[in-house]
Amino acid sequence: DGGITQSPKYLFRKEGQNVTLSCEQNLNHDAMYWYRQDPGQGLRLIYYSQIVNDFQKGDIAEGYSVSREKKESFPLTVTSAQKNPTAFYLCASSIDWAQNTGELFFGEGSRLTVL
Amino acid sequence: AQSVSQHNHHVILSEAASLELGCNYSYGGTVNLFWYVQYPGQHLQLLLKYFSGDPLVKGIKGFEAEFIKSKFSFNLRKPSVQWSDTAEYFCAPMNYGGSQGNLIFGKGTKLSVKP
Repeated sequence: DGGITQSPKYLFRKEGQNVTLSCEQNLNHDAMYWYRQDPGQGLRLIYYSQIVNDFQKGDIAEGYSVSREKKESFPLTVTSAQKNPTAFYLCASSIDWAQNTGELFFGEGSRLTVL
Repeated sequence: AQSVSQHNHHVILSEAASLELGCNYSYGGTVNLFWYVQYPGQHLQLLLKYFSGDPLVKGIKGFEAEFIKSKFSFNLRKPSVQWSDTAEYFCAPMNYGGSQGNLIFGKGTKLSVKP
């Protein structure tokens, strides 16, 4: 089945540690995104990538980093600089950046808890 | 500034009741409008979308939404809800001509349907 796979589903981290969340898609989509979801806050865009080897900051990029070395992979690193990292993280993809369909395909999310 | 407002944080209904979830946006120009749904334990998915034409659009599972340009609204409706409609619903407008990264998600409305 085509889709987006995020791992791990649950992750615990001590303060001061970096952690990397994995996102893999087999939909052959060009564009990929990372969102953060907090209760009552909706989804906020962290980073996005229009195409391989390119990525841009979203609305809340501070304390996060990404890479896009392969079309199917867009890992997110939550660094120790992120002041409030406990959240639910969602990865998404779309066919391409230019196509104005508005349709995103989401993974099932990764819940990060900082102890 | 571009923004979106969902009026209700949590709605509780009994089965067979009618549903209307409010969504208002503030954009200067033409917009495309979307509703996404997140069922418990499942990934976020597209429920319906409006690009142009008939302002009453139909989505999956009997949902519909009406675009009222004069009111900057895109309310979601269903005549008779079922227990399986329990989920969180997100309104997401996007600037016409924008890209998927320009989707702005509302804070979400949790719908709980009592059997």
